[in-house]
Amino acid sequence: KQEVTQIPAALSVPEGENLVLNCSFTDSAIYNLQWFRQDPGKGLTSLLLIQSSQREQTSGRLNASLDKSSGRSTLYIAASQPGDSATYLCAVRQSTGGGADGLTFGKGTHLIIQP
Amino acid sequence: DTGVSQNPRHKITKRGQNVTFRCDPISEHNRLYWYRQTLGQGPEFLTYFQNEAQLEKSRLLSDRFSAERPKGSFSTLEIQRTEQGDSAMYLCASSPRTSGAFSYEQYFGPGTRLTVT
Repeated sequence: KQEVTQIPAALSVPEGENLVLNCSFTDSAIYNLQWFRQDPGKGLTSLLLIQSSQREQTSGRLNASLDKSSGRSTLYIAASQPGDSATYLCAVRQSTGGGADGLTFGKGTHLIIQP
Repeated sequence: DTGVSQNPRHKITKRGQNVTFRCDPISEHNRLYWYRQTLGQGPEFLTYFQNEAQLEKSRLLSDRFSAERPKGSFSTLEIQRTEQGDSAMYLCASSPRTSGAFSYEQYFGPGTRLTVT
């Protein structure tokens, strides 16, 4: 059974710092990995999608990398801003086993950017 | 395109009552997914549809849970005889049809928060 782990569970940094969020998964047989942002009491906003054949994706101040063989992904946030405060979730789409198209999520990293 | 919408946004019900949630996906998205999220956890996959066909339902939490997508457009998730443990956020997502190993992003709605008293 696929398990997704996100470290750290919580992070608080001053505004302007660069930071890295980590995601690991136990089964490397994935089609893709997706990073989301979730604000309190809200739904999920997709940030980046990395196909299994790709190594990284970039969008603005965000860069996500994928090392499928080692079961790891990182989300790099440059020049953090208070508006980046949210919970960041990592999810994988399995290529084997049951559940076909459903995503398996980690518990998230709760990020606070101090003004 | 207004994105994925869900109704109601909040639902409070008494234990033992039935509840139904609605999800309207992004137009022309073939795939529609349901997830449940409890406090402090990531979303948990429940079921999904391709058009009107329900392709995976083994992850539904019990036989009290059922979902439909009768015309391949909107979907409903019903919980019968609700229990306090059903209190959670129920999230819907949609995506275009995948093509083998290539996948599109799943786009999520705002969720329906269920409270069972």
